[in-house]
Amino acid sequence: GESVGLHLPTLSVQEGDNSIINCAYSNSASDYFIWYKQESGKGPQFIIDIRSNMDKRQGQRVTVLLNKTVKHLSLQIAATQPGDSAVYFCAEVYNNNDMRFGAGTRLTVKP
Amino acid sequence: NAGVTQTPKFRVLKTGQSMTLLCAQDMNHEYMYWYRQDPGMGLRLIHYSVGEGTTAKGEVPDGYNVSRLKKQNFLLGLESAAPSQTSVYFCASSLQFGSYEQYFGPGTRLTVT
Repeated sequence: GESVGLHLPTLSVQEGDNSIINCAYSNSASDYFIWYKQESGKGPQFIIDIRSNMDKRQGQRVTVLLNKTVKHLSLQIAATQPGDSAVYFCAEVYNNNDMRFGAGTRLTVKP
Repeated sequence: NAGVTQTPKFRVLKTGQSMTLLCAQDMNHEYMYWYRQDPGMGLRLIHYSVGEGTTAKGEVPDGYNVSRLKKQNFLLGLESAAPSQTSVYFCASSLQFGSYEQYFGPGTRLTVT
């Protein structure tokens, strides 16, 4: 894969505000999308997923939106908390079990 | 239930040395994966396994070998380490084909000098 650079995009929000993290995916044939959260020094952790036949899915404090027309995915976090500070990245799945991960966005929550 | 564990957590190798990273899962998952994560880049799949005794190449398999002799263990080997293999390595497992929710281990930070 080609390097997307050494520095991740960053998002800084105030505690209690809503956060929106964006992801552009590359394969129009991708049929499944996943958001992961990765805290410093830890492995990625599944947050929420969505299939390509849906355009919205809600979880606990999180919502994922899918726009297949422009190949865009977003993760919305309601009432962001300090514990939400982490790197968030999306993954697209195609060909049943091929996955591509984005580089991620670093979310910082200011108290 | 420990989930996915990896050993070692840290390792420093000299160029040309070999080593094996061990991944173990206690969730009875069929699928296991090895990824590498480099600064500013997404996870890249090295090799994966769809069941005991089977392995397959991922996106970046060169310089690595794997074995899945037992369902719960997935080993990643570096036969002759190179500085380009300096990275953080993550193992993951998932329940079955079509179950894309993967459980990740805590990672192994490898430095090759």
